[in-house]
Amino acid sequence: NAGVTQTPKFRVLKTGQSMTLLCAQDMNHEYMYWYRQDPGMGLRLIHYSVGEGTTAKGEVPDGYNVSRLKKQNFLLGLESAAPSQTSVYFCASSYTIGPYLSYNEQFFGPGTRLTVL
Amino acid sequence: AQSVTQLGSHVSVSEGALVLLRCNYSSSVPPYLFWYVQYPNQGLQLLLKYTTGATLVKGINGFEAEFKKSETSFHLTKPSAHMSDAAEYFCAVSDHRGGDDYKLSFGAGTTVTVRA
Repeated sequence: NAGVTQTPKFRVLKTGQSMTLLCAQDMNHEYMYWYRQDPGMGLRLIHYSVGEGTTAKGEVPDGYNVSRLKKQNFLLGLESAAPSQTSVYFCASSYTIGPYLSYNEQFFGPGTRLTVL
Repeated sequence: AQSVTQLGSHVSVSEGALVLLRCNYSSSVPPYLFWYVQYPNQGLQLLLKYTTGATLVKGINGFEAEFKKSETSFHLTKPSAHMSDAAEYFCAVSDHRGGDDYKLSFGAGTTVTVRA
């Protein structure tokens, strides 16, 4: 199993350009997440999905959109990139086996390092 | 929403010395608690977690953490540091009330440097 994979690993954009980050997981997990990691701020949740066809906003959703058309894929889009979106982006997935079983760990991808000039 | 505080953004220890990383959370109801490690240029991986039961939790690579409800703390320790422990460590909590139980709140992280 590959676990959680992310494409691309690195990207440089100019302000105003758009791009899509792809996350794929082969563990049949229901839940998927997009985080951004900035120095001194830990990981902040951008958007998440609790199942195919459903998405929801996290802590810092502005400037991003997501889609979950297939259970195994979770796409993060930047429609008009801004320098403030320079960050490392992590995708994660997790599963649930009951109503309050969120203690299951989240599995993380290797990250995408995005620079917006 | 849960708040997670990690005291000290950088910790430097000598090889063989004790590693102690501090984590406090804000909640009147004990959440589920996690420690993750991030090695350079990699994603996060789980070190250990506390849900219920025994308050001393053992994880991978010789790490352990103790949940102390009275102190709202979940400090991470390792008796003897190894050069391979150099990494960034994140404390995280999940709030299992009100339907947000699948989301994690992360601390700002603590970078560990190990001196030879």
